[in-house]
Amino acid sequence: DTAVSQTPKYLVTQMGNDKSIKCEQNLGHDTMYWYKQDSKKFLKIMFSYNNKELIINETVPNRFSPKSPDKAHLNLHINSLELGDSAVYFCASSQDFLRGPGTSGPFSYEQYFGPGTRLTVT
Amino acid sequence: RKEVEQDPGPFNVPEGATVAFNCTYSNSASQSFFWYRQDCRKEPKLLMSVYSSGNEDGRFTAQLNRASQYISLLIRDSKLSDSATYLCVVNFMNTGFQKLVFGTGTRLLVSP
Repeated sequence: DTAVSQTPKYLVTQMGNDKSIKCEQNLGHDTMYWYKQDSKKFLKIMFSYNNKELIINETVPNRFSPKSPDKAHLNLHINSLELGDSAVYFCASSQDFLRGPGTSGPFSYEQYFGPGTRLTVT
Repeated sequence: RKEVEQDPGPFNVPEGATVAFNCTYSNSASQSFFWYRQDCRKEPKLLMSVYSSGNEDGRFTAQLNRASQYISLLIRDSKLSDSATYLCVVNFMNTGFQKLVFGTGTRLLVSP
């Protein structure tokens, strides 16, 4: 059984198109994430949802819109694709999210990553 | 200064060698530290957490130096299967929540 799955695995499309990537986790986790790994292998967080609520929204163009229909799914829709959007997009999940200082709870939760979606914009 | 900085390598070592990677981080308030492993064209996977007292898992030893803000990973008796990219990961505050920040990774190549 795949814990975190993403579809599609590969996506080749032209500039200006709109595309979606889907992610599902069967681990019963409350928190899900989208990361982008660029050609230099730099892995950077884009968004995080906890129980369908957006909790982290990094400086990402508003052409990127995440949607979480339920806590097991987090999809990423990208409008008007640009060449610079070419990258590998990883979905991840964790039991919970890391809260700020002064709150209770552990300081870390292991994140489980999906296999990635390799997006190529031509 | 980058939030998390690593030597990209590659580190080329023969089987059986001992190899060490270092990583520095910029936020002195960080409290959680990890090493993830990423194989070529695969997803990152947690290798081990790094605790203040240092911790060992088989051939792997992780150390944390808070004063100097660096983390290390030591691999003893390297195997061919250890060839991968090792990502240093640190938690940072982000508008009331914490997020994990990944280094760009150190590539290890173990040869026969």
